[in-house]
Amino acid sequence: GQQLNQSPQSMFIQEGEDVSMNCTSSSIFNTWLWYKQDPGEGPVLLIALYKAGELTSNGRLTAQFGITRKDSFLNISASIPSDVGIYFCAGLNYGGSQGNLIFGKGTKLSVKP
Amino acid sequence: NAGVTQTPKFQVLKTGQSMTLQCAQDMNHNSMYWYRQDPGMGLRLIYYSASEGTTDKGEVPNGYNVSRLNKREFSLRLESAAPSQTSVYFCASSPRMGSSPYGYTFGSGTRLTVV
Repeated sequence: GQQLNQSPQSMFIQEGEDVSMNCTSSSIFNTWLWYKQDPGEGPVLLIALYKAGELTSNGRLTAQFGITRKDSFLNISASIPSDVGIYFCAGLNYGGSQGNLIFGKGTKLSVKP
Repeated sequence: NAGVTQTPKFQVLKTGQSMTLQCAQDMNHNSMYWYRQDPGMGLRLIYYSASEGTTDKGEVPNGYNVSRLNKREFSLRLESAAPSQTSVYFCASSPRMGSSPYGYTFGSGTRLTVV
C-alpha cells in the first residue's frame, strides 16, 4: 500500500533553534496534514494543506505542500520546551482506500533548555 | 469538553483473555477509526467505519473485531488477546471520510499490555 517516508526519525535540539522535518511519498497526495502528539496523549492536528505549493503558518509553525504533490515539510521556528513530542505527517489521496489518511512513522522532537 | 472519549485508559490482559475497547464522540461525526501505535511503526489503521452501519478492514485487522453501535460509538474487541497486541490504541473520528475537512480528532488512547 501507500507509504510515507518521514525524516528525521528523531531530533535533539537546543531551545531557540529552528526545526525542519519532511515527508515524501512515491504516490501523489491531494491533502497533507501535520499532527503533534504530546506524551501520553493522542495526536492533535496542527496544519492542513490542500493545494500543491500551498504554504501555511500557524504561529511558529510553517508547512508547505510540495509542488509535485509527493512531499511536504514542517518547520518550527525558535523552538521552546513545550514543542517536545512526536510529529506526524499524514497524506490523503481521494482515490485511495476510500479516503483513509496515511500516516508517516513520526519525528520525535526533544528540546534541551 | 467536546471530543473523542476512550475507555479504559490502561488495561493489562492475560494471553487468551478477551476485552472491548470503547470509543464515543460527541461531535456528530460520521466516520470513526481505530488505530494502533507501536514504537517506530507510527499509526496503523485497524478498522474504520465510514458511516453508521458500515465497517471495513484497515491495514492490520487480524485478531480484532469492531462494532459501530450507533453514530456516536465505535468499539474494538479483542476476542483472544495475544502479546503481539500489546500496543497503544487510538480511536479517531472525522466529519465524513473523503470530504473536507479531512482532519481526524483523536482520543487520548488506551494503553494495553498482554502478558
